[in-house]
Order: sequence, then C-alpha cells, then structure tokens
Amino acid sequence: EAGVAQSPRYKIIEKRQSVAFWCNPISGHATLYWYQQILGQGPKLLIQFQNNGVVDDSQLPKDRFSAERLKGVDSTLKIQPAKLEDSAVYLCASSSGQTYNEQFFGPGTRLTVL
Amino acid sequence: LAKTTQPISMDSYEGQEVNITCSHNNIATNDYITWYQQFPSQGPRFIIQGYKTKVTNEVASLFIPADRKSSTLSLPRVSLSDTAVYYCLVGDSLGYSTLTFGKGTMLLVSP
Repeated sequence: EAGVAQSPRYKIIEKRQSVAFWCNPISGHATLYWYQQILGQGPKLLIQFQNNGVVDDSQLPKDRFSAERLKGVDSTLKIQPAKLEDSAVYLCASSSGQTYNEQFFGPGTRLTVL
Repeated sequence: LAKTTQPISMDSYEGQEVNITCSHNNIATNDYITWYQQFPSQGPRFIIQGYKTKVTNEVASLFIPADRKSSTLSLPRVSLSDTAVYYCLVGDSLGYSTLTFGKGTMLLVSP
C-alpha cells in the first residue's frame, strides 16, 4: 500500500513570497489533514477535510493560508504571503476511520522563509 | 479535548525496557489513548491505541489503569533505532477526531 505522498520535500523562499504544497493521501482515505510542525514542537493541526469538505480549520491563519481538496483526493496548501514565522515542516496525513485516531503521515515539506 | 502531560525526555540503554507514562486527568468516556512515534525528518507513526487495561502489539504494550487518568507505553528491549519522540494523545471514538499533539517525550537510547 502506497503511503501519503508530499511534494516538494524542501522549499526555501523569501518573506512575502507565495508557496504551495501538494499532498496525495492513501487511496480510499476520506479524511485528510494538514499539520504545521515548528522545530521542537509537536504537530499542530491547520485544517481537516472529510472528502472535499472542511471539518475543522479553526487554527488555520486564514488571512494568509488557504487549502483545498479537489474531488476529495489530492490537496494543496498555500501560503500567501509568507512570513518568517511560517518556517516549519508541513505534514499531510490521511485516515480511513477504521481505527480510531490512526492517521498516516507523509514525510512532510520543510519550508524555510528568509 | 483532554490535555496530556508526559516527560520531556528520557534516557535508556540498548536492551532495557522503557516505560513512558502519560497523564490525562480529564479523559472523557469516549476517549481512546493513542501513542505516536516520530523519527527525525519523518512524519509521526501510529504505534498503539487502547481504551482500558492492556493492549499489546508487535511494537509495544500499553497499560491503562481502571481510572484511565494515566497510561504507560512500554517498549521492550529497546535498540538504538527506538530513539525518537513519542507522543501521547487522547481522542474520541468518532473515528475522525482532531488529535492534539503536545511536545512529546524525546527518548534517547545509548549503546
């Protein structure tokens, strides 16, 4: 079974620039999550999709972050414009709901904002 | 969501058993206790989950007392490759719950 795929793996941009991350979840997983993980901290949920609908985006900075999940499969997370404090690893995860609280994480995208 | 408290770090040696205890005093009736493992430069990985008593799989054991206000992740005979951050989380049984990660416990296994 293929895992969660993310791209790019690394991205370096300057502040005020835009950036987009892509995620392809495990086939058949209805739920998709985007997390932000700052160095030394645990992952923080940014947004959760159930199929192509948003379940929870309470911690998404909506003035600069946006996310979509087209056709309930792939998802993109965009930051526009980026700030220095956005430097972090952005993790995508998916789950089928068959096992409570079991999420499958991708390798993440490490973003550096200069 | 119930808050969890776990040690910031632990040290061990190869071959020893490691027990990481997590406190979750405000756990709700529908909550399950879940542990994740994260290696550097990787996303977290689900290890084990339980509701009460004891759960064991090929990786670890999870001990949950009757009051469910704490839980202990037990790693038998650790190796260097078990060096990682371990997160204790509490989430409900709806299947699509939001997980809140704390800072986790950094386990360092030495030769």
